Amino acid sequence: EPEVTQTPSHQVTQMGQEVILRCVPISNHLYFYWYRQILGQKVEFLVSFYNNEISEKSEIFDDQFSVERPDGSNFTLKIRSTKLEDSAMYFCASIPVTTPPSEEQYFGPGTRLTVT
Amino acid sequence: QKEVEQDPGPLSVPEGAIVSLNCTYSNSAFQYFMWYRQYSRKGPELLMYTYSSGNKEDGRFTAQVDKSSKYISLFIRDSQPSDSATYLCAMSDGGYNKLIFGAGTRLAVHP
Repeated sequence: EPEVTQTPSHQVTQMGQEVILRCVPISNHLYFYWYRQILGQKVEFLVSFYNNEISEKSEIFDDQFSVERPDGSNFTLKIRSTKLEDSAMYFCASIPVTTPPSEEQYFGPGTRLTVT
Repeated sequence: QKEVEQDPGPLSVPEGAIVSLNCTYSNSAFQYFMWYRQYSRKGPELLMYTYSSGNKEDGRFTAQVDKSSKYISLFIRDSQPSDSATYLCAMSDGGYNKLIFGAGTRLAVHP
């Protein structure tokens, strides 16, 4: 069964450094999302992406964050200058565009980001 | 008032018990309701997906949605130790919009 994959599984970085988190969504999926989950807290929406554009972003997704689909398979989340509070699990999700629409979002295993 | 409320538990039950997990929500625009299972430090795994009100059954799992009460439930029959995980409810108003998650309920099924 196709799966969403994410790399790396764990990233440790120093405060102020840039990180890029990578996701390979399921191949026939066209809508993509990033969520994060701070330890012990809810899963929170960051951004959604469709047709090479951001569809929606949350208040968390400020100028330090960006997303890109650099080729036909990868979907990346970049944090330009990491802060301690960016430490969290980051999940990529994807969804097929179908008729009628399916809202089933399939999540990857996550990247644990630790900012020191 | 939080958009989605879910009792965090923990909930501890013996093997074979029927488990009931619940969420309430405040946004009447929500139409799509999901239950995810999450093991520690892993990604959410989609268990059940329901559109609008009604019941849906899949094996030992039954999802119920009562939009008039803004209340959703997940029932697990004949619970197994392998069901021990955190169960997250999530919902959206459609249009490929974001999911809003509950806090998750930790479930432990002991042999």
